[in-house]
Amino acid sequence: KQEVTQIPAALSVPEGENLVLNCSFTDSAIYNLQWFRQDPGKGLTSLLLIQSSQREQTSGRLNASLDKSSGRSTLYIAASQPGDSATYLCAVRTTEETGRRALTFGSGTRLQVQP
Amino acid sequence: ETGVTQTPRHLVMGMTNKKSLKCEQHLGHNAMYWYKQSAKKPLELMFVYSLEERVENNSVPSRFSPECPNSSHLFLHLHTLQPEDSALYLCASSQALAGGGNRNEQFFGPGTRLTVL
Repeated sequence: KQEVTQIPAALSVPEGENLVLNCSFTDSAIYNLQWFRQDPGKGLTSLLLIQSSQREQTSGRLNASLDKSSGRSTLYIAASQPGDSATYLCAVRTTEETGRRALTFGSGTRLQVQP
Repeated sequence: ETGVTQTPRHLVMGMTNKKSLKCEQHLGHNAMYWYKQSAKKPLELMFVYSLEERVENNSVPSRFSPECPNSSHLFLHLHTLQPEDSALYLCASSQALAGGGNRNEQFFGPGTRLTVL
């Protein structure tokens, strides 16, 4: 069964810092990996989706990398801003023994960017 | 309206009540999902619909009953819930359930915050 772990669980940084959020998964046979942002009490906003054949994706100040063989992905945020404060969720899509293609989420990293 | 919308945004109900959550997607997608997000737990997939057919029921208690009348609408009917069912219920949609490219990228609604007294 796929398990997704995100480290750290919480992170507080001063504005302007570059930071890295980590995601690891136990089953490397994934179809894709998706990073989301969730503001308190709100739904999820898709940030980046990386297909299993890709190594990275970039959107503005965000860069996500994928190392499928080692079961890792990182989300790099450049020049962090207070508006980046949110919980960042990593999710991977895999095929389980039942044949079901499931999207498995990590518990998230709660980011606080101090002005 | 654009994207994925959910109503109501907040719901308080007693254990004997019957209520329904509604989700609507304006993206022309063919797959829709219900997720449950409890405090301090990862998102849990509840149901998946593809082309209005339920393709997955992730061991969800029968007090939760989904309905997908068409590809744009998804409902979650609730009855005789328990206090531990209090959570944020999120709806999502994707262009397809499978396939290449970004066809299964999921887009989420804002969620319904449910409190069961």
